[in-house]
Amino acid sequence: NAGVTQTPKFQVLKTGQSMTLQCAQDMNHNSMYWYRQDPGMGLRLIYYSASEGTTDKGEVPNGYNVSRLNKREFSLRLESAAPSQTSVYFCASSVIIVGNQPQHFGDGTRLSIL
Amino acid sequence: GENVEQHPSTLSVQEGDSAVIKCTYSDSASNYFPWYKQELGKRPQLIIDIRSNVGEKKDQRIAVTLNKTAKHFSLHITETQPEDSAVYFCAASRNNFGNEKLTFGTGTRLTIIP
Repeated sequence: NAGVTQTPKFQVLKTGQSMTLQCAQDMNHNSMYWYRQDPGMGLRLIYYSASEGTTDKGEVPNGYNVSRLNKREFSLRLESAAPSQTSVYFCASSVIIVGNQPQHFGDGTRLSIL
Repeated sequence: GENVEQHPSTLSVQEGDSAVIKCTYSDSASNYFPWYKQELGKRPQLIIDIRSNVGEKKDQRIAVTLNKTAKHFSLHITETQPEDSAVYFCAASRNNFGNEKLTFGTGTRLTIIP
């Protein structure tokens, strides 16, 4: 089992460019999450998907869109990248049975916007 | 929404001593409290979690305590070792009918001094 796989691992963009960050999990989890991690600010939730076909905004959704393509895949899109979106992005997944269960994280995507 | 505060932001302890990291939360309905460890350049990994029906949980050198009345929980690491050096994040969540999501603290950078 690979767990949670994110691609790419590193990316440099110019302001205004667009790109999609990919995330896939092979643990048959129903819930998936996208976070950004900035120095001194912990992990902030951008969007999440409780189940296939549903998505909801988190704490910092502005400037991002998501797609839950199927149960395994959850992508994050930056339509017009801005320097403020320079960050490390983590995807996570979890199985929700009865209440909360641990979230499992991918290795992250380090994104720089010039 | 939930607000999680974490202290201290940095902590240095001598190898072999104990380390304590504290978190407070605002939502009295929160009932799940995980702790994650993140080594430099790596993904966050769950090290221990506790649910609100339990006051304390131990796993070898790591323990977590929860005080629901005061709305705070703490991570205790005993007999610290160099490999304990990392950033530690607390988090909190409540049951939400399948839409569970975590709110993270801002992290504690723990340095073990040999």
